Amino acid sequence: DAGVIQSPRHEVTEMGQEVTLRCKPISGHNSLFWYRQTMMRGLELLIYFNNNVPIDDSGMPEDRFSAKMPNASFSTLKIQPSEPRDSAVYFCASSSHKGEKLFFGSGTQLSVL
Amino acid sequence: AQSVTQPDIHITVSEGASLELRCNYSYGATPYLFWYVQSPGQGLQLLLKYFSGDTLVQGIKGFEAEFKRSQSSFNLRKPSVHWSDAAEYFCAVGLKTSYDKVIFGPGTSLSVIP
Repeated sequence: DAGVIQSPRHEVTEMGQEVTLRCKPISGHNSLFWYRQTMMRGLELLIYFNNNVPIDDSGMPEDRFSAKMPNASFSTLKIQPSEPRDSAVYFCASSSHKGEKLFFGSGTQLSVL
Repeated sequence: AQSVTQPDIHITVSEGASLELRCNYSYGATPYLFWYVQSPGQGLQLLLKYFSGDTLVQGIKGFEAEFKRSQSSFNLRKPSVHWSDAAEYFCAVGLKTSYDKVIFGPGTSLSVIP
């Protein structure tokens, strides 16, 4: 398996623009997690899904953030409108059984100017 | 609220020396416990995990960790560090709810001196 695939690898955008981050989990995994990593706040859990259903989105910072998982092989994290403080590395991770072992993608480095 | 602390932000050790990275957690019950490693520009990789049973767990790359319930700690150890071990190390807890939410500590950056 190719592992968890995230795209794009890097994203540079201007404040106010919409940003969509994409994730393809490992085939057969039924749990998917979105994390944000910054120097100041470390690795924060934003939202996680189980069997395509959002279980806990309490980590989503604001209404500007939304996440979907329309099927077992694809998830998106959208920021609209984006702000400079959203600049961070966003990681997607998947697991075959809840949180027992997370497999991380390589992340998306987001820069909002 | 549940939390994970790693008291050491950065540690430097000489190659061949022993290593211990500290981790403490706050949770109402015994959670699942993990150590992950992150190399520069990469995602995180699981080193080892504790769910139950033997409190000393072995992981990949020669790492081990010991769960001490009385101290709410799960410290990571390696008897002899290699230069390739330089990375960021994260302790994490899996909360035993229905869907096992995983929360990470702030991380410890490890530098290895040749």
